[in-house]
Amino acid sequence: EAQVTQNPRYLITVTGKKLTVTCSQNMNHEYMSWYRQDPGLGLRQIYYSMNVEVTDKGDVPEGYKVSRKEKRNFPLILESPSPNQTSLYFCASRVLGGNNEQFFGPGTRLTVL
Amino acid sequence: SQQGEEDPQALSIQEGENATMNCSYKTSINNLQWYRQNSGRGLVHLILIRSNEREKHSGRLRVTLDTSKKSSSLLITASRAADTASYFCATDSGAGSYQLTFGKGTKLSVIP
Repeated sequence: EAQVTQNPRYLITVTGKKLTVTCSQNMNHEYMSWYRQDPGLGLRQIYYSMNVEVTDKGDVPEGYKVSRKEKRNFPLILESPSPNQTSLYFCASRVLGGNNEQFFGPGTRLTVL
Repeated sequence: SQQGEEDPQALSIQEGENATMNCSYKTSINNLQWYRQNSGRGLVHLILIRSNEREKHSGRLRVTLDTSKKSSSLLITASRAADTASYFCATDSGAGSYQLTFGKGTKLSVIP
């Protein structure tokens, strides 16, 4: 089944404790992206990647890191989480070029205390 | 960056009625897409309309696009309780970043 998976789905942590949210897709998509969703603000892009070893900042990259060592994986790293990073996070992937839909993972609800 | 803005923010209708949601955006686009999100879950792609198309249908969904007004509408006909969800429009500028820019969504409630 074609899908984007994220882990963990729920995470409660404390300020300053490094964490990684994994994202994997099995559709051989070149493009992968991370979003955060906050009430009243909609979805905002954090980082994106157009291929292995190619990453770039989205609209709200501060406090986040990403890596793309393999085509299928695109982990999101919070080196020193803060309470303002409490949010619902989505990973997504799509085929590059043309008119193509984006496939979303199920989301990771992160709470930083 | 450009952004789609949905209208209304919330909509409540009876089962069987039609639901119309609107989206406005600011700059030129390559295509516009509509997504559905059930509470707290991932977004699911519904329909894509290209900039050179004016109307598109998919089952009970009808999407229109007016590039001169920079607006789109999503019509769900004969709504069902299962259509209760948030609906987002997303614009694809076709520029090098392939970024999809999402609006804040319309929360639709269909009352059985």
